[in-house]
Amino acid sequence: DAGVTQSPTHLIKTRGQQVTLRCSPKSGHDTVSWYQQALGQGPQFIFQYYEEEERQRGNFPDRFSGHQFPNYSSELNVNALLLGDSALYLCASSFSLLGRTQYFGPGTRLLVL
Amino acid sequence: GENVEQHPSTLSVQEGDSAVIKCTYSDSASNYFPWYKQELGKGPQLIIDIRSNVGEKKDQRIAVTLNKTAKHFSLHITETQPEDSAVYFCAASPLGRGGTASKLTFGTGTRLQVTL
Repeated sequence: DAGVTQSPTHLIKTRGQQVTLRCSPKSGHDTVSWYQQALGQGPQFIFQYYEEEERQRGNFPDRFSGHQFPNYSSELNVNALLLGDSALYLCASSFSLLGRTQYFGPGTRLLVL
Repeated sequence: GENVEQHPSTLSVQEGDSAVIKCTYSDSASNYFPWYKQELGKGPQLIIDIRSNVGEKKDQRIAVTLNKTAKHFSLHITETQPEDSAVYFCAASPLGRGGTASKLTFGTGTRLQVTL
């Protein structure tokens, strides 16, 4: 049973560029949440997708956007990258009908220079 | 919004001793409290969770207690082993629509080191 997978594992971008990160949920899961984890901090909630719609959003600017596909996989897009966007981006999946347990992927490490 | 505080930030114990990590939360609407273990270079791994209708839950060497009145919950690890060394995060979440997963608010983490 495949767990949550994310790609790429590492990414280096420069300020002002745009980036797309990808997530495939755990088999059988239909809800995807994205979190940003700065070095030495706990993960911070960005947004959650269910039924291809953004259902909840944290305190992140509109530069952060996402998408969920019919196969439940998801993308996180960040425009106009800032140095402060450097972080580990985590995807978590859950199953809408079985409660709120969220399982995390290994993350994508983004470095903005 | 919800605010979760976690203590201590670092904890060093000898193998075989117990470790306790404590968290407090601010939002009385929170009713789901998971604990995650994060090893270097990996994503957080769920180790145990508790819902607000339960005061204590145990899974082998790991237990979690919840005091809703005081708005705090704790992780207890007994008979610690070197492989328990990692960063541990507590989190809190309110009830999502239809009982589904809602946003997790995390503490700042506790780095646990188990020495031989």
